[in-house]
Amino acid sequence: EADIYQTPRYLVIGTGKKITLECSQTMGHDKMYWYQQDPGMELHLIHYSYGVNSTEKGDLSSESTVSRIRTEHFPLTLESARPSHTSQYLCASSDPTRTSGSYNEQFFGPGTRLTVL
Amino acid sequence: SQELEQSPQSLIVQEGKNLTINCTSSKTLYGLYWYKQKYGEGLIFLMMLQKGGEEKSHEKITAKLDEKKQQSSLHITASQPSHAGIYLCGADNSGNTPLVFGKGTRLSVIA
Repeated sequence: EADIYQTPRYLVIGTGKKITLECSQTMGHDKMYWYQQDPGMELHLIHYSYGVNSTEKGDLSSESTVSRIRTEHFPLTLESARPSHTSQYLCASSDPTRTSGSYNEQFFGPGTRLTVL
Repeated sequence: SQELEQSPQSLIVQEGKNLTINCTSSKTLYGLYWYKQKYGEGLIFLMMLQKGGEEKSHEKITAKLDEKKQQSSLHITASQPSHAGIYLCGADNSGNTPLVFGKGTRLSVIA
């Protein structure tokens, strides 16, 4: 079983609040990712990191920001939440060199379901 | 950019029936990953295919990748209620980039 954790699992907040979604993994993986999943099931990559102090924006434009100060920790922050941010947020990690030279399997956390009122 | 088409979008089958889910890529794949997701939870890795013509099985689930490495299918034999969930295929373009996912197939298994 993958050792990747997300907190909180559920969050209901009001518009304008600042929030941070936590993601931690204990596998020592260098690569970490944030996906946003809409009700139609599709996953959209919003941020990723290939190591400490490395962050990149994904394919879906997002008003969130991320940081990677420690290998195991990849938090996502929304400075001012809006109803359009209501979604499921999934964190994942991978490290091809640790599992197999040709594998890029991503291990997923349980997700955070965010509702902004 | 990489695009993955999954079909069908949703599927309702009677328990004990076989079913197939398809995933088609707009580009030749470096690797193709199949995941399963239960509602409101994270994704669980099922199988990964990398070689053209490759086929892998786990319990009653078989995944295949065509020779051109652009199409994959996931076949479930004798479906059970435990197979219900969302199945997503993920494309790996180079072995070193984030996976791109299809829109998913929602499977319901009725008694």
